Amino acid sequence: EVQLVESGGGLVQPGRSLRLSCAVSGFSLHDHAMHWVRQAPGKGLEWVSSINWNGGTTGYADSVKGRFTISRDSAKNSLYLQMNSLRPEDTALYYCAKDKNGYACFLDHWGQGTLVTVSS
Amino acid sequence: DIVLTQSPDSLAVSLGERATINCKSSQNLLYSSNNRIQLAWYQQKPGQPPKLLIYWASTRESGVPDRFSGSGSGTDFTLTISSLQAEDVAVYYCQQYYTTPTITFGQGTRLEIK
Repeated sequence: EVQLVESGGGLVQPGRSLRLSCAVSGFSLHDHAMHWVRQAPGKGLEWVSSINWNGGTTGYADSVKGRFTISRDSAKNSLYLQMNSLRPEDTALYYCAKDKNGYACFLDHWGQGTLVTVSS
Repeated sequence: DIVLTQSPDSLAVSLGERATINCKSSQNLLYSSNNRIQLAWYQQKPGQPPKLLIYWASTRESGVPDRFSGSGSGTDFTLTISSLQAEDVAVYYCQQYYTTPTITFGQGTRLEIK
């Protein structure tokens, strides 16, 4: 059974950093692209970042480019999102999601999310 | 950047009736290399993560009831629920992957029971 479990969220002050983690099981990271998608309270889905099957290709939304970094550790079956220079508008529930393919396409399994609140 | 615009923003349909949600892309989503439309649809129920319904614009994900169908071409796409059930109340999103590794979602359409 495919499982994705996010962690690392919390309350952080503007300008500070946070690192999200996603522990995966039931599939191999080597075979699939992975994504981070966020959802601000009461709002729609916003794709944040993706990384392909071998980690060689990454993508970022313009809103986070230069501040966030996606990475993966296949040995630890984990996906990460390093978030720097956080802003209040980064406040959201952050989902980790598995792609059905090896490159960024469509997302067939999602975690329950971890909440990030950026506030002073 | 490709922008996806869904219509309507919200929709109320009677049980057993047809529900239709539209998604318009600012660019053609037909990828010439594989001759496939790079569009997916998701369902998000309250308090839950999204669920993949449809990909390649019309391919139903395993386990999705056949009352859900996707259609369209070029820049205009439709998600149809042929006979609305109570459990279909949710927000529905379209998503393009033509610009992989970057992808984008539509703004969402809220579906309720009339």
